[in-house]
Amino acid sequence: IAGITQAPTSQILAAGRRMTLRCTQDMRHNAMYWYRQDLGLGLRLIHYSNTAGTTGKGEVPDGYSVSRANTDDFPLTLASAVPSQTSVYFCASSERQGATDGYTFGSGTRLTVV
Amino acid sequence: QQPVQSPQAVILREGEDAVINCSSSKALYSVHWYRQKHGEAPVFLMILLKGGEQKGHDKISASFNEKKQQSSLYLTASQLSYSGTYFCGTPDPYNFNKFYFGSGTKLNVKP
Repeated sequence: IAGITQAPTSQILAAGRRMTLRCTQDMRHNAMYWYRQDLGLGLRLIHYSNTAGTTGKGEVPDGYSVSRANTDDFPLTLASAVPSQTSVYFCASSERQGATDGYTFGSGTRLTVV
Repeated sequence: QQPVQSPQAVILREGEDAVINCSSSKALYSVHWYRQKHGEAPVFLMILLKGGEQKGHDKISASFNEKKQQSSLYLTASQLSYSGTYFCGTPDPYNFNKFYFGSGTKLNVKP
């Protein structure tokens, strides 16, 4: 089934540890995104990538880094996790830049930093 | 830059209608609507691209008034399956790669 695969599904992480959230899509979409979702705040954009080899900062990029080595993969790394990074993380993709055709979301990673 | 949604929550009986509003203090070039069921990912419903445009998706439709910088989602003859949280979203008018979602409207349809 075509779509976005995120891993892990959930994780409890000690503060200060490094963590990479994985995201793979098989739709050959050009653009990919990382969002975090917190209660009462909706979805907020962390980083985006319009095409392989390029990335950009979203609304809340601090403490996160991304890379886009190829079309399909867009990992999100927390270099040194802090409790405020406890959230549900969604990877998304769109065929067109700026998601003018709408986002397709992965099933999410629930991260708890303790 | 986050659009404002109202109401925050709605409780309906099956078959009743509902309207969810989304407004912005910034110029709107397009509006997306998504539905998210508890514990699941958001699902794209529709995008409205032009001022005054209306779209439909089964018994869910939406309007977009570019001049008033607002969009409304209409749920007609609601079904139990309509329950979930509805989000509107809009791109940054100066950088379409940046996108802002509203905080959501929780819809609960009861039998």
